[in-house]
Amino acid sequence: DAGVIQSPRHEVTEMGQEVTLRCKPISGHDYLFWYRQTMMRGLELLIYFNNNVPIDDSGMPEDRFSAKMPNASFSTLKIQPSEPRDSAVYFCASSFSLAGGPHTQYFGPGTRLTVL
Amino acid sequence: KNEVEQSPQNLTAQEGEFITINCSYSVGISALHWLQQHPGGGIVSLFMLSSGKKKHGRLIATINIQEKHSSLHITASHPRDSAVYICAVRGGVQGAQKLVFGQGTRLTINP
Repeated sequence: DAGVIQSPRHEVTEMGQEVTLRCKPISGHDYLFWYRQTMMRGLELLIYFNNNVPIDDSGMPEDRFSAKMPNASFSTLKIQPSEPRDSAVYFCASSFSLAGGPHTQYFGPGTRLTVL
Repeated sequence: KNEVEQSPQNLTAQEGEFITINCSYSVGISALHWLQQHPGGGIVSLFMLSSGKKKHGRLIATINIQEKHSSLHITASHPRDSAVYICAVRGGVQGAQKLVFGQGTRLTINP
């Protein structure tokens, strides 16, 4: 399997522009997570989906952020309008579920976003 | 106080030394993860454990649920082990998938 695929790997944009980050999870995985990593705050969960349904979006910073998962093989994280403080590395991860048991998350390579 | 605390924040050692990184947490959990983030930025899951000890090659992870503490050990450390090691805990509610992360420990192994 190719692993979790994210695009683009790098994005530079100007303040106020819309940014869309994309993620393709590992085939067969039913959980998908979006994380943000900054020097100041480390890794933070933004939102996660189970079977394409958003389960916990309490980490989404504000209304400027939105995430969708239209099908099991694709998810987007959108920022509109973008601000310089959104500059960070955004990771997507996926995992599968086992009844009653924990499981490993597989991370994508990340998208480095710079908002000027 | 953060829910997950790691120590030390930075660690420099010589090749061959035995390394220990600690993680303490303040909430009930269903599982604890150790992750490795390479200098290039990629994140790899090393261990997921809910009790006892796990070993993979030169890496050993232990957890003490009563004391809310986990350790990651590296035996015969090597420069390629240089990375940031991140502890993360999953909530105690069965099926909960949310991870809460420590700030990471930056490990540098000198040849």
